[in-house]
Amino acid sequence: QKEVEQDPGPLSVPEGAIVSLNCTYSNSAFQYFMWYRQYSRKGPELLMYTYSSGNKEDGRFTAQVDKSSKYISLFIRDSQPSDSATYLCAMSADSSASKIIFGSGTRLSIRP
Amino acid sequence: GAVVSQHPSWVICKSGTSVKIECRSLDFQATTMFWYRQFPKQSLMLMATSNEGSKATYEQGVEKDKFLINHASLTLSTLTVTSAHPEDSSFYICSAQTGGSVSYEQYFGPGTRLTVT
Repeated sequence: QKEVEQDPGPLSVPEGAIVSLNCTYSNSAFQYFMWYRQYSRKGPELLMYTYSSGNKEDGRFTAQVDKSSKYISLFIRDSQPSDSATYLCAMSADSSASKIIFGSGTRLSIRP
Repeated sequence: GAVVSQHPSWVICKSGTSVKIECRSLDFQATTMFWYRQFPKQSLMLMATSNEGSKATYEQGVEKDKFLINHASLTLSTLTVTSAHPEDSSFYICSAQTGGSVSYEQYFGPGTRLTVT
């Protein structure tokens, strides 16, 4: 079993829709939860990070962490064609320069 | 701020040759650099972690004699793929972190696409 599971998609939604992206994980030691956006043939770009459980909002993006269920989500409101990319969830166990474990990424396409 | 560059962005080499990829932190000092490999439609897999002036720590299953990592300064790390084979064709991404940073404060380079023919 992979430490982090993420549905690869592809996921296609119309412009303006709410997008829900999810990951599950098995390692209860994970404390830091991140979402990265990666455009084709580019490096990943950090979108949001959350420490432990709870919600965090930044503009159109909301990250949720439920440690009891080992489940994290990223919601995108009012989706735009420019949001079309691959979204990677990622996690690490502690705050130091420790290894980040990435999900396989979900390819998202926003239709105009 | 926090810009990481990679060079080259794309390289083609013949089987059996070696290729060097550079990773530079342009506006900060990177005490730790990470090298990842990403196959098509797959996740980033950590290959090795390097601290400036020290030998790199390789992940299980990564051949340290094949993937040579040198972190000679606080702004430069290099990955040399020796005796490259077609199965080494992949997207190689580096990231950099300053001392005392938390795990999410890794800044990623744009990646280098390696094709071995």
